[in-house]
Amino acid sequence: DADVTQTPRNRITKTGKRIMLECSQTKGHDRMYWYRQDPGLGLRLIYYSFDVKDINKGEISDGYSVSRQAQAKFSLSLESAIPNQTALYFCATSDRSNSYNEQFFGPGTRLTVL
Amino acid sequence: AQSVTQLDSHVSVSEGTPVLLRCNYSSSYSPSLFWYVQHPNKGLQLLLKYTSAATLVKGINGFEAEFKKSETSFHLTKPSAHMSDAAEYFCVVSGGYQKVTFGTGTKLQVIP
Repeated sequence: DADVTQTPRNRITKTGKRIMLECSQTKGHDRMYWYRQDPGLGLRLIYYSFDVKDINKGEISDGYSVSRQAQAKFSLSLESAIPNQTALYFCATSDRSNSYNEQFFGPGTRLTVL
Repeated sequence: AQSVTQLDSHVSVSEGTPVLLRCNYSSSYSPSLFWYVQHPNKGLQLLLKYTSAATLVKGINGFEAEFKKSETSFHLTKPSAHMSDAAEYFCVVSGGYQKVTFGTGTKLQVIP
């Protein structure tokens, strides 16, 4: 059973559309993250949340918003998608008791904006 | 400041030969370091981690890495490459304030 799940796994959308990517986890971790992966750039942090009432911007948050609906759920929204948001998106979790911040990743969502 | 540099974007080895993927880091804190692997169309899987215990860290699938503070390096090695090792590998540093920084990745090609 997957500990971190993401839906959808693949999505094609058009410029200007609103889209939501969802992440759920059964690991019981309090911390959740959203990253995007682009070829040659590694993973870059979009938003992170250390608990339900704590939301923080990462290094590339412009054009994105998030919602932490529960400890186990963290959604990423693109209010008005644009082609340069085409990327592979990963959700990750970590446990605050883990002092070295080991993160556990979902399978990814491949998003294409036409 | 914190950063990670993966010195090679692509590495190609023959099956059965050693693998060396290079990673240098900088951190103002005593860092934790990780290597993750990403197989095609898959998520990221933790290979191994250094958390200030032993400097030589053994991971899954025969991989290991050595933390060298004097050289600020955390290179990933494997004595004998297998076809199933073909993937992209990411070096990651976790430093102060729980900040995590990813390297840009190294794609490993294994030639039969």
